[in-house]
Amino acid sequence: EAGVAQSPRYKIIEKRQSVAFWCNPISGHATLYWYQQILGQGPKLLIQFQNNGVVDDSQLPKDRFSAERLKGVDSTLKIQPAKLEDSAVYLCASSLDKTEPNEKLFFGSGTQLSVL
Amino acid sequence: AQKVTQAQTEISVVEKEDVTLDCVYETRDTTYYLFWYKQPPSGELVFLIRRNSFDEQNEISGRYSWNFQKSTSSFNFTITASQVVDSAVYFCALSDTYTGTASKLTFGTGTRLQVTL
Repeated sequence: EAGVAQSPRYKIIEKRQSVAFWCNPISGHATLYWYQQILGQGPKLLIQFQNNGVVDDSQLPKDRFSAERLKGVDSTLKIQPAKLEDSAVYLCASSLDKTEPNEKLFFGSGTQLSVL
Repeated sequence: AQKVTQAQTEISVVEKEDVTLDCVYETRDTTYYLFWYKQPPSGELVFLIRRNSFDEQNEISGRYSWNFQKSTSSFNFTITASQVVDSAVYFCALSDTYTGTASKLTFGTGTRLQVTL
């Protein structure tokens, strides 16, 4: 079974530039998450989708971050304009539809973003 | 508000030693879930275990065991006879009561385990 695919693996940009990350979840997984992991910290949820609808985006800095999940499959996370403090690993995760509460998440390898 | 504390930033052990990773959590909910994830150098987090707040039975899976103590709000993880392949960052996480389709995980800051020969 293929895992959660993310690209690119690494990205270096200058502040005020824009950047986009892509994620393809495990086939059949209805729920998709974007997490931000700053060096030395645990992952922090940015946004959660159920199919193509947003379930939770309370921690997404909406003035600069946006995300979409068209057709309820793959997803794109965008930052525009980027700030130095956005340097982090952006992790995508997916889980099966809610057949039981708090199911385990399957994570991708992440995109490491460096903002100079 | 929920919080997860992993006080051990980094632990180094020699192969075959036993090691315990501590996790202390805070939540006001009576129903919640606790998790452990492993993050190897490749970057992806790998699920290890999920425990709900009503099940205080300890669990053993091969060399891994988990000790859940509600009285002290702790969910500690022990690796017996550690191996080099266990080297990774381990995260403890908490999810509060399942409501609808939302289940936000709050992660601790992680414990980096280094196992040497």
